[in-house]
Amino acid sequence: AQTVTQSQPEMSVQEAETVTLSCTYDTSESDYYLFWYKQPPSRQMILVIRQEAYKQQNATENRFSVNFQKAAKSFSLKISDSQLGDAAMYFCAYRRRDDKIIFGKGTRLHILP
Amino acid sequence: DADVTQTPRNRITKTGKRIMLECSQTKGHDRMYWYRQDPGLGLRLIYYSFDVKDINKGEISDGYSVSRQAQAKFSLSLESAIPNQTALYFCATSEGPLDRANTEAFFGQGTRLTVV
Repeated sequence: AQTVTQSQPEMSVQEAETVTLSCTYDTSESDYYLFWYKQPPSRQMILVIRQEAYKQQNATENRFSVNFQKAAKSFSLKISDSQLGDAAMYFCAYRRRDDKIIFGKGTRLHILP
Repeated sequence: DADVTQTPRNRITKTGKRIMLECSQTKGHDRMYWYRQDPGLGLRLIYYSFDVKDINKGEISDGYSVSRQAQAKFSLSLESAIPNQTALYFCATSEGPLDRANTEAFFGQGTRLTVV
């Protein structure tokens, strides 16, 4: 069974610093998608970044980037120049070939002023 | 207006009552999902549907049922609510199949359900 593991329940980072959230997943598929979602206190789920498994190049969206290691089944999220508005719960997710989307348990990120 | 709309936003109900959570979408997506969010457990998949005639159980379907009334509507029912079904419930949609450009899930605003 496919699983998504986020090993850090909570993390803290100083404002303007860089932080990396980790995610590993287990799959036997070769073609799939990975995502990071942000959930602020408003509880809305917001897509941060997506990565196609067949692409070797790591995805980047402004201050957000990923380190995708397919062989290691690792998909970490790096947030550069952390801002107070980045404080939220972050979920890693995996989309299978059959379109089932599986989420990790989440990492709560605190930004220290 | 939101692309994925859930009603109600918040609900308190009594143990043993039947309750329905509704979800409608204007994105034209085939895929629709119901998730449950609990602290420390993340989002767990309850049911998912790929079209009106295709309903699939997720990880935690016991105690829940769903109905896909139309492509745009997917409702979740708790036939006899119990306190451990107290949670935040999300409806989501996605475009299929996997090789389309927009592969991510789009979420509703969530329904906070409390069973007392």
